[in-house]
Amino acid sequence: NAGVMQNPRHLVRRRGQEARLRCSPMKGHSHVYWYRQLPEEGLKFMVYLQKENIIDESGMPKERFSAEFPKEGPSILRIQQVVRGDSAAYFCASSPLSLGANVLTFGAGSRLTVL
Amino acid sequence: GENVEQHPSTLSVQEGDSAVIKCTYSDSASNYFPWYKQELGKRPQLIIDIRSNVGEKKDQRIAVTLNKTAKHFSLHITETQPEDSAVYFCAASKEDTGFQKLVFGTGTRLLVSP
Repeated sequence: NAGVMQNPRHLVRRRGQEARLRCSPMKGHSHVYWYRQLPEEGLKFMVYLQKENIIDESGMPKERFSAEFPKEGPSILRIQQVVRGDSAAYFCASSPLSLGANVLTFGAGSRLTVL
Repeated sequence: GENVEQHPSTLSVQEGDSAVIKCTYSDSASNYFPWYKQELGKRPQLIIDIRSNVGEKKDQRIAVTLNKTAKHFSLHITETQPEDSAVYFCAASKEDTGFQKLVFGTGTRLLVSP
């Protein structure tokens, strides 16, 4: 079991460009979460997805950010027209479906730097 | 919504001493409280968790206590070692129909000096 896989690990973008971050959950996990960690801060919930469904996006900025988890392929967090304040580590986590076994396993993170 | 506060923000101890990190939460419906350890540049890793039907849980040198009435929980590390140096995050959530929306504290940077 390869664990939660995220790519790219590091991404550099100039202001105004788009950033796409990908996350493949652990085998057997059907829930994907995205968290953002600003430098020297804790993790902030952004969005929770199941296959083809956004369940809770209460932590997503209203503009420029979107997420999807298609039937086939990884979950994608997309940031359009990036600004310097988007520079952060973006962690994906997954959990299984079973109630009471919802331990989150985090990926290694994608570190976005906006120049 | 849930709000989690964590203290202290930094903690320096000598090797072999004990370390205690404390968190409080606001939502009385929260019932799952994990602790994560994050080394520099690495992913957060679960080290121990506790559910609200127990008051204490121990795993070797690590223990967590939960006081539901006061809405606070603590991480205790005994016989600290230099490799325990990391940032520790507490979190709280309401386990509910498979949705695990963790709210994290702001972290405690633990430094264990040899």
